[in-house]
Amino acid sequence: DAMVIQNPRYQVTQFGKPVTLSCSQTLNHNVMYWYQQKSSQAPKLLFHYYDKDFNNEADTPDNFQSRRPNTSFCFLDIRSPGLGDAAMYLCATSRDGQGRETQYFGPGTRLLVL
Amino acid sequence: GQSLEQPSEVTAVEGAIVQINCTYQTSGFYGLSWYQQHDGGAPTFLSYNGLDGLEETGRFSSFLSRSDSYGYLLLQELQMKDSASYFCAVSAFSGSARQLTFGSGTQLTVLP
Repeated sequence: DAMVIQNPRYQVTQFGKPVTLSCSQTLNHNVMYWYQQKSSQAPKLLFHYYDKDFNNEADTPDNFQSRRPNTSFCFLDIRSPGLGDAAMYLCATSRDGQGRETQYFGPGTRLLVL
Repeated sequence: GQSLEQPSEVTAVEGAIVQINCTYQTSGFYGLSWYQQHDGGAPTFLSYNGLDGLEETGRFSSFLSRSDSYGYLLLQELQMKDSASYFCAVSAFSGSARQLTFGSGTQLTVLP
């Protein structure tokens, strides 16, 4: 089935140790999003790609970066994770980011920072 | 910027009807979406309103009044599996694609 896949589902890292989360999609959608969701809070958009066009949210910390080497894959890099970065990270896609179309979410990667 | 308000918790019994309200303040509004998220799971799309009025999808309906900056999600014939968090989200354009700003979510508990 076409879907959005995130690996790993759970990631443990040490304070300050770089970590990369990955997302892949078989939907062939143009837009890929990364959200951060802390416990009992709303998903918060970090950035999105429209094809290769990168769009960073104004309040996304510099510690967070992203790469999209091709249509199917997108990576979230956290250069120096702090304790406050522990959260669920959700990847989502949409076909063209227009109109009423739906965003499709992956299952998320839960990041724990020790 | 965008801001949304929705109740933090709602409790109802199986078979009942529940309405979850959402008010918003935003610029560049395109529509209001509703997503469901079970504990530990991913948000899944439920409904979208781009125009005023009611949209019905099975047991779920969603309503929008753009003039009032208000919408609601109506869940009928509640089932235990409907226990989840429900997020309203406004659509606005940022950069080259539509983005969603989510409300803080409403935790729905369905009791037997």
